[in-house]
Amino acid sequence: KNEVEQSPQNLTAQEGEFITINCSYSVGISALHWLQQHPGGGIVSLFMLSSGKKKHGRLIATINIQEKHSSLHITASHPRDSAVYICAATFAKGNKLVFGAGTILRVKS
Amino acid sequence: DTGVSQDPRHKITKRGQNVTFRCDPISEHNRLYWYRQTLGQGPEFLTYFQNEAQLEKSRLLSDRFSAERPKGSFSTLEIQRTEQGDSAMYLCASSLISRGGDYGYTFGSGTRLTVV
Repeated sequence: KNEVEQSPQNLTAQEGEFITINCSYSVGISALHWLQQHPGGGIVSLFMLSSGKKKHGRLIATINIQEKHSSLHITASHPRDSAVYICAATFAKGNKLVFGAGTILRVKS
Repeated sequence: DTGVSQDPRHKITKRGQNVTFRCDPISEHNRLYWYRQTLGQGPEFLTYFQNEAQLEKSRLLSDRFSAERPKGSFSTLEIQRTEQGDSAMYLCASSLISRGGDYGYTFGSGTRLTVV
């Protein structure tokens, strides 16, 4: 069964802290996606990766194919990073996304 | 191109009424996906199209739900005889899949349906 597990469910951090959100999946994937959702619903795609590591500003995403595990890191966190972060996977090229339950991140100033 | 557009943003309807939502994808994207998200949960897949062909439907998509993409551009999702359990955010996404690869997904802002 294609499954995506994400942890933690909730995360509260102080401004400036280094944040890690973890994602694991059950079987081989074609791509792993990290998404951000703000209150009000809109989803923004942060990263799509199938191997290695990607970086965009203060955000870093890594994936370990052998361990079926991915992490999203936020360096020097800021209150504006507060959002729901969702890990999702495609199990074949172009097919539907299977989503994790999301991590609610709150960064306090 | 202004991204993926969904209309309306919010819809309140009485139980038993029919509702229709529209999604306009990024024009060059050949795939279009519908997802449903209830409060506190991650989105769940409903259906997707490649051009005008509906390639997969979830078992979540009961016979009260129908989706179309008649010309391979915009898509509509209709819910007949709405029930309170249909209250959710309905998300549309589009992507470009080609021999060159998978270029990722772009999401719309969603349509929030409340059935009263």
